[in-house]
Amino acid sequence: AQTVTQSQPEMSVQEAETVTLSCTYDTSENNYYLFWYKQPPSRQMILVIRQEAYKQQNATENRFSVNFQKAAKSFSLKISDSQLGDTAMYFCAFMGTGANSKLTFGKGITLSVRP
Amino acid sequence: DGGITQSPKYLFRKEGQNVTLSCEQNLNHDAMYWYRQDPGQGLRLIYYSQIVNDFQKGDIAEGYSVSREKKESFPLTVTSAQKNPTAFYLCASSMRPAMGNTIYFGEGSWLTVV
Repeated sequence: AQTVTQSQPEMSVQEAETVTLSCTYDTSENNYYLFWYKQPPSRQMILVIRQEAYKQQNATENRFSVNFQKAAKSFSLKISDSQLGDTAMYFCAFMGTGANSKLTFGKGITLSVRP
Repeated sequence: DGGITQSPKYLFRKEGQNVTLSCEQNLNHDAMYWYRQDPGQGLRLIYYSQIVNDFQKGDIAEGYSVSREKKESFPLTVTSAQKNPTAFYLCASSMRPAMGNTIYFGEGSWLTVV
């Protein structure tokens, strides 16, 4: 079974600064997908970024980028130029392929952006 | 508008009662999922379905039941056998998750036992 670990329960960052959220996972699969989701106070789950394990290039989406280290099974999220609207819970998630195509989530991290 | 609709948003259940949470999607997605969220626990998978008339148990299926009679609908019944049902429930769907397609979420339903 796959597991996803987010060891930092909370983080805080000053507006306009950069912050990195950590995530590690465990799997025996070679092909899979990794995601970061954002959950603001509204509780709506919003996709932030997606990474395909067979791609070595790290995914980027505007101010959001990942550092994907497949051998180390690490998948961290970097948020540049933090904004107040980035305040939310962030979840790292793993999805396998075929019959395992379901999301397994970490426990999440609460990010607070200070003005 | 296209999307995933969950209803009701808030539901109160008396002990011993069964309740059903509705989830409808008009995205033509093949797969649908139910997750439960408790404080400090992240999201845990209850049931999922990859095609009509077929579904699989997730990590915490005990005390829950589902059906998938139509592609667009995946209702979740919380039975009286679920001893601690108070939680936030999220429904999700995806076109072809086996290809790594994104899983999208509804706005969620709050269930409280009174």
